[in-house]
Amino acid sequence: EAGVTQFPSHSVIEKGQTVTLRCDPISGHDNLYWYRRVMGKEIKFLLHFVKESKQDESGMPNNRFLAERTGGTYSTLKVQPAELEDSGVYFCASSYRGSLYEQYFGPGTRLTVT
Amino acid sequence: QKEVEQNSGPLSVPEGAIASLNCTYSDRVSQSFFWYRQYSGKSPELIMSIYSNGDKEDGRFTAQLNKASQYVSLLIRDSQPSDSATYLCAVNIARDDKIIFGKGTRLHILP
Repeated sequence: EAGVTQFPSHSVIEKGQTVTLRCDPISGHDNLYWYRRVMGKEIKFLLHFVKESKQDESGMPNNRFLAERTGGTYSTLKVQPAELEDSGVYFCASSYRGSLYEQYFGPGTRLTVT
Repeated sequence: QKEVEQNSGPLSVPEGAIASLNCTYSDRVSQSFFWYRQYSGKSPELIMSIYSNGDKEDGRFTAQLNKASQYVSLLIRDSQPSDSATYLCAVNIARDDKIIFGKGTRLHILP
């Protein structure tokens, strides 16, 4: 069974540019989460999808961040325009409906904003 | 007070010894507790979950939960160099569906 996949693995962009991160959850997982780890800090929750619906987006930093999950399969996280403080590793995780909290993580996308 | 606290380490343990990793949490009604292992540059990997007071064993790993003390720990028996990693404690916040991570403890197994 394939795990959670993320693309790209690494992105370097300039301040003010736009970046879109993609996450493909484990097949059959209704729950999809986005997290971010800024250097030196703990992994922080950004938002949670149940199928295509946003269940909780309380962790999204501001309106420069937009997440979508059309059709309840893969998800994208767009940052527009990117700022220096957006640099970090963005992780996606997914879980079954029945084991809501056992989340399986993807390899992450390292975003560097210069 | 931070919601999930861990000693950042590094914790150095001789090969073959028991490594003990500790975590405290602030939300008294938390219900689910997880230990993730993260190798440098890799994603967190779920290694243990525990939901009720007491011990839960899986191979060389034992998770211990004490809800009264708001304390969860991970014991690694017969430590191996391959156990060297950062161990993340994660706790669900009962009022919603998300889990909160600690900063992690770096474990170094000395050959």
